[in-house]
Order: sequence, then C-alpha cells, then structure tokens
Amino acid sequence: ETGVTQTPRHLVMGMTNKKSLKCEQHLGHNAMYWYKQSAKKPLELMFVYNFKEQTENNSVPSRFSPECPNSSHLFLHLHTLQPEDSALYLCASSPLGLQPQHFGDGTRLSIL
Amino acid sequence: DAKTTQPPSMDCAEGRAANLPCNHSTISGNEYVYWYRQIHSQGPQYIIHGLKNNETNEMASLIITEDRKSSTLILPHATLRDTAVYYCIVRVSIYNQGGKLIFGQGTELSVKP
Repeated sequence: ETGVTQTPRHLVMGMTNKKSLKCEQHLGHNAMYWYKQSAKKPLELMFVYNFKEQTENNSVPSRFSPECPNSSHLFLHLHTLQPEDSALYLCASSPLGLQPQHFGDGTRLSIL
Repeated sequence: DAKTTQPPSMDCAEGRAANLPCNHSTISGNEYVYWYRQIHSQGPQYIIHGLKNNETNEMASLIITEDRKSSTLILPHATLRDTAVYYCIVRVSIYNQGGKLIFGQGTELSVKP
C-alpha cells in the first residue's frame, strides 16, 4: 500500500470515446505526476503539478488533458486516443524537494 | 539531468547479496542518485537515495564512489520477492518543487532459488 490510489485499474476504450483516469493521495504531498509506460519501454514523464499548478508538460499530445483540482487529486482526461496510446498510466505524488515519489499501481489502458 | 547506464539484466542466488551497478559519469555536484524498483504489474517503489555518502536503510545499501561517477545498490540477502526491474536515476533536488524522474531501461534482476 503506497498511499496513492488509481482508478480504474483497467480500461478498454474505443478511439472515439472520452474517459478519465483518477489518482488520489492522502499523504499530504504537494507535487503530483503522470507517467506513461508503454510495452518494453521506460517510464515517460508526462505532466508535473506543484501546488495544483502545472509546471511541466513533456510535449504530450492535446488528446491527454490533465486536471489537478486540489493537492490530493489528479485526473487525466482522455479523448480521441490512438492505438499507440495503449499503455500503463502511472500516477505519483511527493513532497517538495528531496523526498522520493510514491507511485500508484497504474491504470492499464487499451485502445481498440 | 545526468544520464545513467545500467546492465540490462543480472541473476542472483536466493540468500546471496545482489550488487547492482550504475554508471553516472556526467553527474553534477547538486544531483542526487535515486534507486527505484518495479515489480511486474506494479508501480515503481522507492528504495534509497544519496548524494555522496554511503547510505543504508531497511531495504538496501547505496555505495557511491568518491568521484561520484558510479554507484552500487546492494540488497544484502536477496529473496525471490526482490525479482524486479531496478532503476538508477540521477536528479536535481529543488527545495520548493517536486522533482521529475527520468527513467532508463533499468536492470532486470532475477533472483533464483
């Protein structure tokens, strides 16, 4: 139990659907992150939020739209995805500075 | 952030020490070395981090060379549950911001009975 909860754990959607991934942490952390892990590839950082403000967008296509309404919740809104977007999407949170990130177990996304 | 190099895979006998090397020859003075591991179908798990001194916690020890160009993660008594991909990451710590992690391919450690 890492303290970071992601829902759903698995999601299958068509290319024209709209869905959202949810991440929740009650660790008191002020930074939250989205990562993408495609098959046989390293984790790729997508977005970083500090105090609910987005501070990093790693050239992510606009069909991925993050939202951070408060320091405990992070969403990733998905629309018009492509088959190559099938991957494990991981959320993490951390205090600021030196302290390590805590990861959820991810949402396994499959695009039909 | 500095780049790291790790062997793609290693084997270790159960009960023996697992020594996982990492090269980070371009590391800067203000960059820390972090180790994470990822067990199949789970998110990465933090193990340990350090700047220049050796560090030990309940999971592992981190040995950083004096010139800081390489480090070794030591799991003193490996068990089958330590089978995972181990990532060595170098990053700057900014006190008022979360730190981004740049993952490489890591080392796939297989602990065998």
